Amino acid sequence: QKEVEQNSGPLSVPEGAIASLNCTYSDRGSQSFFWYRQYSGKSPELIMSIYSNGDKEDGRFTAQLNKASQYVSLLIRDSQPSDSATYLCAVVNTGGFKTIFGAGTRLFVKA
Amino acid sequence: KAGVTQTPRYLIKTRGQQVTLSCSPISGHRSVSWYQQTPGQGLQFLFEYFSETQRNKGNFPGRFSGRQFSNSRSEMNVSTLELGDSALYLCASTVVGLATSNEQFFGPGTRLTVL
Repeated sequence: QKEVEQNSGPLSVPEGAIASLNCTYSDRGSQSFFWYRQYSGKSPELIMSIYSNGDKEDGRFTAQLNKASQYVSLLIRDSQPSDSATYLCAVVNTGGFKTIFGAGTRLFVKA
Repeated sequence: KAGVTQTPRYLIKTRGQQVTLSCSPISGHRSVSWYQQTPGQGLQFLFEYFSETQRNKGNFPGRFSGRQFSNSRSEMNVSTLELGDSALYLCASTVVGLATSNEQFFGPGTRLTVL
């Protein structure tokens, strides 16, 4: 079992729709969870962080965390073609000094 | 505030050579992590440094090493290069001691090609 698992996609959604990205993790002691966006040829960019169970909203982005189910998700509302990128889920291990990244989900938003 | 900088941006080496990559974190960030990114393996954790100490290490052979200086700048070294070391090497810096600790900010990366 991989430490952080994501559906590799590609996930294709029409412009204006909601894109839903999912991630599961194996370390039950993890306390910090992140979503990064990576455009082709660029480095990852932090878009959301979440530390407690529930939802966290920032603009068009909503991160959801369920520690009991070891599940993190990212919702992108009103998806735009500029949202087309690879989205990486990242989880910090119990010790706190190591961040494990999922393989990423490629998202395509069709105009 | 300036972002994370990495030098060089591109590097071409031959098998058997060694290489040193440099990373300057965001001012005030004291933790630096290094990652290797390849199309097949994704983003793989190499090591993390804080206060000149390596606190964690990923599953890479001993040919991969790093260090951190008192000004938080970090270097990583790869000795006896192999073809499979061709990758994008990313450095990320983190503030330590805040509620938002572990939020990482990445540099542009160093693209290493081993021939």
